[in-house]
Amino acid sequence: QQQVKQSPQSLIVQKGGISIINCAYENTAFDYFPWYQQFPGKGPALLIAIRPDVSEKKEGRFTISFNKSAKQFSLHIMDSQPGDSATYFCAALTFSWGYQKVTFGTGTKLQVIP
Amino acid sequence: DTEVTQTPKHLVMGMTNKKSLKCEQHMGHRAMYWYKQKAKKPPELMFVYSYEKLSINESVPSRFSPECPNSSLLNLHLHALQPEDSALYLCASSQGSGRGGNQPQHFGDGTRLSIL
Repeated sequence: QQQVKQSPQSLIVQKGGISIINCAYENTAFDYFPWYQQFPGKGPALLIAIRPDVSEKKEGRFTISFNKSAKQFSLHIMDSQPGDSATYFCAALTFSWGYQKVTFGTGTKLQVIP
Repeated sequence: DTEVTQTPKHLVMGMTNKKSLKCEQHMGHRAMYWYKQKAKKPPELMFVYSYEKLSINESVPSRFSPECPNSSLLNLHLHALQPEDSALYLCASSQGSGRGGNQPQHFGDGTRLSIL
């Protein structure tokens, strides 16, 4: 059962443009919402994360916007660069005692063209 | 460079072989995870260890056998695997204190496993 829906599946953006990836979730018990960036042949790397009591978080060119009432969150990549070309996974975490469970979105393959 | 180290990076094995994957972290994390990732798909959870004890087994076939010798090490023992088990196997870790810590887990770069 897919609990985090991610769109689009793929995205092509011109260098310098804004890349926007959207996610929607169903479970209101999630505790944290991270985004992971994965390059071919590498593991997912934590990019940025947000708590559900915060509406926006910005780190450099990356911004998460979070809408708790709509159960939606999105990643904005400003001034997109060819080096940003990767697969991006949104995720939702549930913290349990001693560990956490991650529900991943289906992923978005981003290509930034010069 | 990732702070979660996985070895080997690549592994090719026959269906009758026995091999092991290794994962190591020195961040003081007390929760460690094994995931399986197929091409163009998100990682799928296989096992969770918390404070060296197995907390979650996501109905993984017994040909996969996890082991947590200490708080820094996680192994995945493989035996009699099938071709459909070919995938990227990822290890991750997170804080174990309190309610699973307050930071998302960190992933290694994985072992690319091919079953002949």
